[in-house]
Amino acid sequence: SQTIHQWPATLVQPVGSPLSLECTVEGTSNPNLYWYRQAAGRGLQLLFYSVGIGQISSEVPQNLSASRPQDRQFILSSKKLLLSDSGFYLCAWSVLGQTFYGYTFGSGTRLTVV
Amino acid sequence: AQSVTQPDIHITVSEGASLELRCNYSYGATPYLFWYVQSPGQGLQLLLKYFSGDTLVQGIKGFEAEFKRSQSSFNLRKPSVHWSDAAEYFCAVGASNTDKLIFGTGTRLQVFP
Repeated sequence: SQTIHQWPATLVQPVGSPLSLECTVEGTSNPNLYWYRQAAGRGLQLLFYSVGIGQISSEVPQNLSASRPQDRQFILSSKKLLLSDSGFYLCAWSVLGQTFYGYTFGSGTRLTVV
Repeated sequence: AQSVTQPDIHITVSEGASLELRCNYSYGATPYLFWYVQSPGQGLQLLLKYFSGDTLVQGIKGFEAEFKRSQSSFNLRKPSVHWSDAAEYFCAVGASNTDKLIFGTGTRLQVFP
């Protein structure tokens, strides 16, 4: 069966420090991968999505970047965190070309920038 | 362009009461429609989905939703709410020409005993 792992679960980082959040998927090949952010009391904001290795689409201009070094690995990064980067980050995957099955989400990372 | 509206930000119901969460979408063709639930501090879990066939779909945890094309709606219902249903609920829409889902802003459900 397919599983998705996200880590760490929680993270407290000072302003100006770097960030690396990792997401891996097991049990499937060539998935679509997504990074979402959920700010306090707000909905889901799509940050990045990827349809293949090295193929990243950015939805909003921001302080973050994403990479997909392997088929089932998706990394969210920042060189210097801002206070506004605080939030709940969710990774998700879907079957390539079969979005009608929906997304499967990871359990999320709570990032607090202090 | 696709869009999703969840007009109710916060809903409070008593345990045992019926529930209906509203979702309206905008899309020119037949959309793919989803309801997700998020417990505090957790990821999103798929409750149910519609992409063709019977317009009344059954999901997990006793939830159902009905696709009404004439009203561009996909409302989520449950006949009797349990305290464990307290969570945030998201409606989402997708389409055959994109791999991206568009999510509504969510409805927070509070259940009183």
